[in-house]
Amino acid sequence: AQKITQTQPGMFVQEKEAVTLDCTYDTSDQSYGLFWYKQPSSGEMIFLIYQGSYDEQNATEGRYSLNFQKARKSANLVISASQLGDSAMYFCAMRESFGGYQKVTFGIGTKLQVIP
Amino acid sequence: NAGVTQTPKFQVLKTGQSMTLQCAQDMNHNSMYWYRQDPGMGLRLIYYSASEGTTDKGEVPNGYNVSRLNKREFSLRLESAAPSQTSVYFCASSDSGFGVHNTGELFFGEGSRLTVL
Repeated sequence: AQKITQTQPGMFVQEKEAVTLDCTYDTSDQSYGLFWYKQPSSGEMIFLIYQGSYDEQNATEGRYSLNFQKARKSANLVISASQLGDSAMYFCAMRESFGGYQKVTFGIGTKLQVIP
Repeated sequence: NAGVTQTPKFQVLKTGQSMTLQCAQDMNHNSMYWYRQDPGMGLRLIYYSASEGTTDKGEVPNGYNVSRLNKREFSLRLESAAPSQTSVYFCASSDSGFGVHNTGELFFGEGSRLTVL
């Protein structure tokens, strides 16, 4: 079974509009973390936002927010007021611990294109 | 601020050749990772190292070996390169632990583009 599922291969959004990128995850751990990374066409991986499994509040970082629904095992990224520079690949990832070790698994990504 | 440095950035190999990708981090992180990125496949974990002296297989370890030389360095070796190993390789590091103030965010290198002919 996939640990991280991103079902939207590509998304379009109008500039200045909000967009939601979907992510569901699968784990039996009680303590885990969820990340979103952005990868522009230049190739570098940019950390956007983090949500811990015990965090009661949804994480927010500027225009990014993470809609965390623990019972549904979903961790959707919401980008408000989209900008042309938001056009990129977006990856959802999960950190799990195994007896003190930790491992981070990524989804296949969603390509977001912002339309002027 | 160097962060995570990986070399080389580009490499072309012939089938059967060997090579080593080098990675070093200067953030005193315990955990280090090697991923490969292929179109439509996302980032897949090859090997990871939770601490100096330990390594573990990820999702796609076949055809690769790793060495955690010390706390700073984690190398990835292809003993006999195959065309299927054509990919972009990323090294990453993170602090370990699940503290309230520790996200365990991965810090990535710039990537190494490997082509095997």
